[in-house]
Amino acid sequence: EAGVTQFPSHSVIEKGQTVTLRCDPISGHDNLYWYRRVMGKEIKFLLHFVKESKQDESGMPNNRFLAERTGGTYSTLKVQPAELEDSGVYFCASSQDPVETAFNTEAFFGQGTRLTVV
Amino acid sequence: DQQVKQNSPSLSVQEGRISILNCDYTNSMFDYFLWYKKYPAEGPTFLISISSIKDKNEDGRFTVFLNKSAKHLSLHIVPSQPGDSAVYFCAAIRGTSYGKLTFGQGTILTVHP
Repeated sequence: EAGVTQFPSHSVIEKGQTVTLRCDPISGHDNLYWYRRVMGKEIKFLLHFVKESKQDESGMPNNRFLAERTGGTYSTLKVQPAELEDSGVYFCASSQDPVETAFNTEAFFGQGTRLTVV
Repeated sequence: DQQVKQNSPSLSVQEGRISILNCDYTNSMFDYFLWYKKYPAEGPTFLISISSIKDKNEDGRFTVFLNKSAKHLSLHIVPSQPGDSAVYFCAAIRGTSYGKLTFGQGTILTVHP
């Protein structure tokens, strides 16, 4: 079974440009999450999709970030225009059920996309 | 406001000895805690978890202890192996916040042969 796949692995763009990150979750996983780790700090939640609907987008930093999950399969995260502080590693994760206390259901993470804005 | 903190950026241990990684949290509403392990250029992988109604959970060489009154949890690895060298993240969930993991900054564990 394929795991969570993210494209590209690395991206270097100039300030002001647009970048689109893609995440392919594990097949059959309705729940998809985006996280970001900036400069070796903690991994921070960005948002959570249930199928194609945004369940929680409280972690999105600002309106330069747009996440979509058309058809409830893969997801994209677009940053437009990119700023220097957007540099970091963007992780995508998926789970079959929400990660909640009643069930020992883990979220599977992709390898991440390292974004560098110069 | 960081709600989950791992105050030790790194830990170095000899092979065969015990590794103890610590984590503190401030939000008393957290009711489920997880540890993830991360190798370079890979995503975090789930290691072990504990519900707030328990104080210990064991899985092979890995044991997680939870002290709710102190808002502190720890991960014990016994015996430590060189393959355990990785970044370890503590994470927490509120029961109603499906999928919203709150992570600590991570601790780099190095196990020397």
